[in-house]
Amino acid sequence: DIQMTQSPSSLSASVGDRVTITCRASQSISSYLNWYQQKPGKAPKLLIYAASSLQSGVPSRFSGSGSGTDFTLTISSLQPEDFATYYCQQSYSTPGTFGPGTKVDIK
Amino acid sequence: EVQLVQSGAEVKKPGESLKISCKGSGYSFTSYWIGWVRQMPGKGLEWMGIIYPGDSDTRYSPSFQGQVTISADKSISTAYLQWSSLKASDTAMYYCVRRKAEGVFSGGYYYYMDVWGKGTTVTVSS
Repeated sequence: DIQMTQSPSSLSASVGDRVTITCRASQSISSYLNWYQQKPGKAPKLLIYAASSLQSGVPSRFSGSGSGTDFTLTISSLQPEDFATYYCQQSYSTPGTFGPGTKVDIK
Repeated sequence: EVQLVQSGAEVKKPGESLKISCKGSGYSFTSYWIGWVRQMPGKGLEWMGIIYPGDSDTRYSPSFQGQVTISADKSISTAYLQWSSLKASDTAMYYCVRRKAEGVFSGGYYYYMDVWGKGTTVTVSS
């Protein structure tokens, strides 16, 4: 299985901050990388697919970049509704493993 | 509206069997893979397996192979996740997801989980 890691595991930020989350794959996965947001008690929601494609309806303050083994999710200006846990997931091979998550909370 | 509607919460005893369901609507059920994702209490997401309802082709994560069975009944647009003998460690939230495919210019597909059910809580306790 391809192993996914994320850093940091958690971060505290203020409304308006620029936030960057990193995801790393144990082998090259080209651009087969997705990002999901999960709020407490809710199902995850797709934000970004294919490393940098914004899912329909997702605010443009979210962006993704990277290829190969290193990827980033950036929130350009953190909003109150963005406090959540973020997961990366590789879709290069089965099983489509997830990263351990990054929790973003209020400073 | 595209949606996946999951069956309700379950409370079971160790050793009991269980089958939970996920009904798709608003799209062609047989044209998309349906997957299952586990989330243990306070933990992250785990990819369990997927099924293509069109022909019942099924793939499992090695971690879940032999532990669960994924099936589908395309006549009623419903996918299932079942256990023959539950353990306390099966206590978790289980999400069903639709896996969408988008073609890559160079060949192949990008896969991503674009629709999620609300989840089914399974509690296994004596």
